[in-house]
Amino acid sequence: DTEVTQTPKHLVMGMTNKKSLKCEQHMGHRAMYWYKQKAKKPPELMFVYSYEKLSINESVPSRFSPECPNSSLLNLHLHALQPEDSALYLCASSPTAYNYGYTFGSGTRLTVV
Amino acid sequence: EDKVVQSPLSLVVHEGDTVTLNCSYEVTNFRSLLWYKQEKKAPTFLFMLTSSGIEKKSGRLSSILDKKELFSILNITATQTGDSAVYLCAVGNSGNTPLVFGKGTRLSVIA
Repeated sequence: DTEVTQTPKHLVMGMTNKKSLKCEQHMGHRAMYWYKQKAKKPPELMFVYSYEKLSINESVPSRFSPECPNSSLLNLHLHALQPEDSALYLCASSPTAYNYGYTFGSGTRLTVV
Repeated sequence: EDKVVQSPLSLVVHEGDTVTLNCSYEVTNFRSLLWYKQEKKAPTFLFMLTSSGIEKKSGRLSSILDKKELFSILNITATQTGDSAVYLCAVGNSGNTPLVFGKGTRLSVIA
């Protein structure tokens, strides 16, 4: 299995909702990443997990809360988001944190209304 | 601060044309440069370059790195409409930092 699977593919949520994005890989990769991508912009790094520990948090607001329950799963919990948080959220994994053989998931397109 | 600059930002060509996309970078302790193709959603990996002057090739796509002048080019020959996408360049260094992405080049190939 050489894929990173993200669910859901699309999500519409209100500003008072709580939702979660999920990411899964079975390649034995020990680093997993969340990126946010706005239209016509490059991906912006949000979080890096290395061996299930959070190693980088790029000053992301607390309304985004990552979780890495095990080496194959990465979640992003969302609460009290703003309309400007609407974006494509990409998950990626790599063998180790600074091995650049990234594999990206197809993303979750999030709309906050 | 590490920086990756891609040019042009967008490009429209006709099927059959050859295109060259550029990526220049300023990175402390450069380790590798990567090219990705992004259509609707997930960026898909094209090439990773670590050594100067060695061309990497995959079908109609090829890429080369110049570590002295700090740039890379991505060539696509005999373009097809399926090549329409955003092409992202990213650079990594030897420290414990993730990839730095450029803004991408949006390529549109028209029939």
